Amino acid sequence: AQSVTQLDSQVPVFEEAPVELRCNYSSSVSVYLFWYVQYPNQGLQLLLKYLSGSTLVKGINGFEAEFNKSQTSFHLRKPSVHISDTAEYFCAVSEGNNNDMRFGAGTRLTVKP
Amino acid sequence: EPEVTQTPSHQVTQMGQEVILRCVPISNHLYFYWYRQILGQKVEFLVSFYNNEISEKSEIFDDQFSVERPDGSNFTLKIRSTKLEDSAMYFCASSEASNTGELFFGEGSRLTVL
Repeated sequence: AQSVTQLDSQVPVFEEAPVELRCNYSSSVSVYLFWYVQYPNQGLQLLLKYLSGSTLVKGINGFEAEFNKSQTSFHLRKPSVHISDTAEYFCAVSEGNNNDMRFGAGTRLTVKP
Repeated sequence: EPEVTQTPSHQVTQMGQEVILRCVPISNHLYFYWYRQILGQKVEFLVSFYNNEISEKSEIFDDQFSVERPDGSNFTLKIRSTKLEDSAMYFCASSEASNTGELFFGEGSRLTVL
């Protein structure tokens, strides 16, 4: 079965700095990859997804992620963060033969002024 | 834009009581899911449901849990006798087909067991 590892539980950064949130996955079949954001006391909002095609995917709020099959990674990046980006970010993977999505433990991004 | 809706948004119950969480998936979706997120922890898979039966369930989904699609629109999660550790946010999700890999999530139902 598929699994996801988010290497950083907390990432503090200053406003306007770049950020990278790391995600690695394991699976024996082809995968689909997702990043979700969860603002305080809210539900899960899809940031971006990789299903096929270009390995660099762009999402909402200026985020992007790159699928690297050889490194089994799907790191999330943003060149310049805002205070409003403070949230919990979850990487998720589902396998091509089913829809059972598995989530990483989450990375709490805190943007400081 | 079609969305998954969940009710109630927040429910408080006494330990030992039965709870039913309701979800209305997106109308043309065929696959339905429940996930759980204990406060401050990761989102955990509970169960997936297709063609009126459970297709997969996690070890969390024990005999206290059950799911049902009582009519053409609702998808429910029942906890028979709630425990303190069942306090969590419960997310419903649905998907269109088996190989798109994309799930659409509801806003969640927060369950507090006292």
